[in-house]
Amino acid sequence: EIVMTQSPGTLSVSPGERATLSCRASQNIVNNLAWYQQKPGQAPRLLIYGASARATGIPARFSGSGSGTDFTLTISSLQSEDFAIYYCQQYSNWPTFGQGTKVEI
Amino acid sequence: EVQLVESGGALVHPGGSLRLSCAASGFIFTKYWMSWVRQAPGKGLEWVANIKRDGSETQYVDSVKGRFTISRDNAKTSLYLQMNSLRVEDTAVYYCVRTAGIELPYEFDYWGQGTLVTV
Repeated sequence: EIVMTQSPGTLSVSPGERATLSCRASQNIVNNLAWYQQKPGQAPRLLIYGASARATGIPARFSGSGSGTDFTLTISSLQSEDFAIYYCQQYSNWPTFGQGTKVEI
Repeated sequence: EVQLVESGGALVHPGGSLRLSCAASGFIFTKYWMSWVRQAPGKGLEWVANIKRDGSETQYVDSVKGRFTISRDNAKTSLYLQMNSLRVEDTAVYYCVRTAGIELPYEFDYWGQGTLVTV
């Protein structure tokens, strides 16, 4: 099993600021990585796939980078609707998720 | 518009069985892998199972192997999860998820709203 580790657990950011979320895989997953956003009471939503490709309808302020074992999700200027929990997920092997990063005000 | 509507969630006793269903619409069902992903109350996401486009291949997380069975009916554009020998730790919201990829499953690109299973 590939273990995904996200950091930090909680990120406190002010609206308009930049947020940087990290995700590390326990082994090389090339670029087989996705990021999801989940708001309370809602299903997750795909943001990024292939480590850096934005999903349909995702604003340009969301960007993904990295390859191999270390990945980053950056939100360039946080909007009020961006406060949520973010999960990374690898699909290089049986799918596994990170434990999530909560982005709070 | 892609729609995935789950049903079948309920309160069940340990050792019991339940069958979840997912009605899919708004896309060509036979072109996609499909998956079930669950989320225990207040916890993170856990992939449960997936099934290839033609149903010829299935994969399961170790904790449900031998107890859960994923299946699909392409004529009815529906996905199913038969859950037997349910345990308290199976309590979760179960999401039906469209999965990108052709020969292999990739990212989870559309999610249903989920159905709650309480054991």
